Parts: sequence; C-alpha cells; structure tokens
Amino acid sequence: DTAVSQTPKYLVTQMGNDKSIKCEQNLGHDTMYWYKQDSKKFLKIMFSYNNKELIINETVPNRFSPKSPDKAHLNLHINSLELGDSAVYFCASSQEGLGADTQYFGPGTRLTVL
Amino acid sequence: TQLLEQSPQFLSIQEGENLTVYCNSSSVFSSLQWYRQEPGEGPVLLVTVVTGGEVKKLKRLTFQFGDARKDSSLHITAAQPGDTGLYLCATWTGANNLFFGTGTRLTVIP
Repeated sequence: DTAVSQTPKYLVTQMGNDKSIKCEQNLGHDTMYWYKQDSKKFLKIMFSYNNKELIINETVPNRFSPKSPDKAHLNLHINSLELGDSAVYFCASSQEGLGADTQYFGPGTRLTVL
Repeated sequence: TQLLEQSPQFLSIQEGENLTVYCNSSSVFSSLQWYRQEPGEGPVLLVTVVTGGEVKKLKRLTFQFGDARKDSSLHITAAQPGDTGLYLCATWTGANNLFFGTGTRLTVIP
C-alpha cells in the first residue's frame, strides 16, 4: 500500500541515451511533483502538475519532459542524458500544494550517467 | 542567494547527547516545515509550524518557529542512532512550490 512509488530505484546509463522514470500515487492527491537532489543533498523542485496540468517548470532544460496521463501518474522522460543529470530524482504528491500541506515523497530514483 | 540557510551543515554526535539545528532566512514565512530524510529514502514530514513563537514537540524533538517567522530551530534531546538522517526545513513559496533549505546531515554514533 505504498503511497508514492517510483520506478526504477536505480538507473545507470550512458551519455546521450534517453530514459524515463515512472511515478504513481494512490493518495488521491491533485498535485504531483518532480524534485532533483544533487550530490550535496540540495533538494530542488523541477516541475509541479495540478490535475494533469503543468503549474511550475523551474528552469529545467527542455531535455526533461514530464508527462501526466492522469492525476495519479507523473512520469519523467529525459532525452540526451548528460553527466550533470546524475542525481537522485524524487517524485512527490500533495493535496493542495500550499500553506501547511504535506508533501509525500517516493523512495527516489538514483540516476547515474556514465 | 539561498532562501533557507541551515546550520550546521554536518553534525556528528554521540548517542545520548542533545543538539540543535537551525533554519534561517531574511524572509518572513506564513509557515515552515521540517522533514527528515533517511539514507535511500524520500523526505518525511515531521512538523509544520505556522504561528510566530510556536513550539511543537514530537517525542524527543522540539521545534520552534521564530517570533518574526523568519527562522526555526529543531532541538533533539538524548539523540538516538535512529535520529540519523538529513534534516530539511522547507516553506511553500507559492502555490505548488515547496522550497527546501540547505539541509543538516546528522549522524548519531552508538
């Protein structure tokens, strides 16, 4: 009964490849997010979607394309992977997305680009 | 410029010791949250503080929101190895945008 799940847990790939990370939440939340956590553990928002519509795109290269087929899913596709894309990517969801709302995070996907 | 500066960045203490970590900013916030992230997992919400001067307790953890709502502290009493993790403060900077602090990595040595 995992609240926010993402696959795969680990992803190792070569530069220039295209890869996808899948995310699903079973909490019935309206808003989903993607975050990137770098090697210094700084966690930064990349995208947020509310009811399948893009709300925030935080200066992320257009090689990153989120896709939300429905409210429960927000997948992240990355084209032409670069060394600097290596990081841990977290999917999250929340009900309202403001104030005292709680973010529920997935377990993360560790992406390593060789 | 970081919106939320946390200190110390790293902290390593012996089991049973007390500690305080800080989250500071020059901005005023309507609310502030603390999350804990254990290795290999996503962050988990510990508490939300919304009122200036507010103090909340969660077992051995005490959270305080500054009177001016610009800063917050987390105090842990008698730290346990299970407290080891990355502690992150965060605030909603607008609709659907949760901004995280720089983090404090705590290690409690048995």
